[in-house]
Amino acid sequence: DSGVTQTPKHLITATGQRVTLRCSPRSGDLSVYWYQQSLDQGLQFLIQYYNGEERAKGNILERFSAQQFPDLHSELNLSSLELGDSALYFCASSVGQKTGELFFGEGSRLTVL
Amino acid sequence: GIQVEQSPPDLILQEGANSTLRCNFSDSVNNLQWFHQNPWGQLINLFYIPSGTKQNGRLSATTVATERYSLLYISSSQTTDSGVYFCAVGETSGSRLTFGEGTQLTVNP
Repeated sequence: DSGVTQTPKHLITATGQRVTLRCSPRSGDLSVYWYQQSLDQGLQFLIQYYNGEERAKGNILERFSAQQFPDLHSELNLSSLELGDSALYFCASSVGQKTGELFFGEGSRLTVL
Repeated sequence: GIQVEQSPPDLILQEGANSTLRCNFSDSVNNLQWFHQNPWGQLINLFYIPSGTKQNGRLSATTVATERYSLLYISSSQTTDSGVYFCAVGETSGSRLTFGEGTQLTVNP
């Protein structure tokens, strides 16, 4: 158990819909990261938050947005879903902003039909 | 951005065999981690090893940062070692990790 909690574990929805994925970091970790793992793209970095503020942005689509709340949990919002958004979405956390080991949650598996 | 190459892409072993997985990266790093992704999709931390050598049971890892590579050794492999092994590196400018494509390991009984 990494200490990073993600919900839901599985989600099935239809094209055009909107979903929210939730992540609770390990106790004491201030950074949260979101990654997408699809069959043809591998593990891709989406976005990082540190203590409530956006710190780095990767290949995140405009239809996707994220935030980190004062209690440090984070949410990833995916809207206008397309078939290609089907993937495993991971959240990770670390103590620091620029260094340190990352610990990953078990992921949220999204299927868009 | 930084490039991460892992080799071999696929590896099939008999139970009890030893193996070496390699990770090459294109720039200086402040973080290097090895992960095992099991058949259920979970990413399990194996090593946090930006430099030096570490051992944990049958697994060990070495990172030579000046030469920009890392090696993961698996000894006396077991069927439960099957899965995908990822190397991921963090650039000195930040803490996010860039992942390699992974090595798919299959250990047959």
